Amino acid sequence: GAVVSQHPSWVICKSGTSVKIECRSLDFQATTMFWYRQFPKQSLMLMATSNEGSKATYEQGVEKDKFLINHASLTLSTLTVTSAHPEDSSFYICSASQTSGGQGGGELFFGEGSRLTVL
Amino acid sequence: QKEVEQNSGPLSVPEGAIASLNCTYSDRGSQSFFWYRQYSGKSPELIMFIYSNGDKEDGRFTAQLNKASQYVSLLIRDSQPSDSATYLCAVPYSSYKLIFGSGTRLLVRP
Repeated sequence: GAVVSQHPSWVICKSGTSVKIECRSLDFQATTMFWYRQFPKQSLMLMATSNEGSKATYEQGVEKDKFLINHASLTLSTLTVTSAHPEDSSFYICSASQTSGGQGGGELFFGEGSRLTVL
Repeated sequence: QKEVEQNSGPLSVPEGAIASLNCTYSDRGSQSFFWYRQYSGKSPELIMFIYSNGDKEDGRFTAQLNKASQYVSLLIRDSQPSDSATYLCAVPYSSYKLIFGSGTRLLVRP
């Protein structure tokens, strides 16, 4: 299957700093990428849909000014957690779709995830 | 509000047994259903997807769909300790957007 890579895989930062997480599709072009967040023992919650060349679409309850998403190319989307606080500590996972018009999910490939710990 | 429900478990089965994981969904119009496996600290990986009522088999895995009952299940035959993980049921609510269930933790005892 297609490969989606995330970096960094884990990061520890001080409260108030900003952290950038990169998501790359390595062997395909992804016009759409998705950012999920997963708290311990909970399921994945979709945060936003990242569209190449346009603004991201955020899910209800997700602060767009806090979670900045940039999808500047067909292979790279970034999520920046601005002014991070301990409650932002979570596992952030991106996914990308390889084809359009598919059944959904079956053609979604997930990155390895990035574990953020805010002290 | 579209919802996907799973029993959190843990479901404990002995090695070699059949593990049965269940999922119900609220949107009667849902057309496709996905099962992901997630090891602790890792991201999900797709195991199977199913669109049609009935059974779909892939190796030791069988997905079963009953749209009338809004119920989808995953059977794992000859369970192995390496199958121990959290299994997530997911339903798309628009192209590629997935709603995930809370997951069922499976423990396979050697």
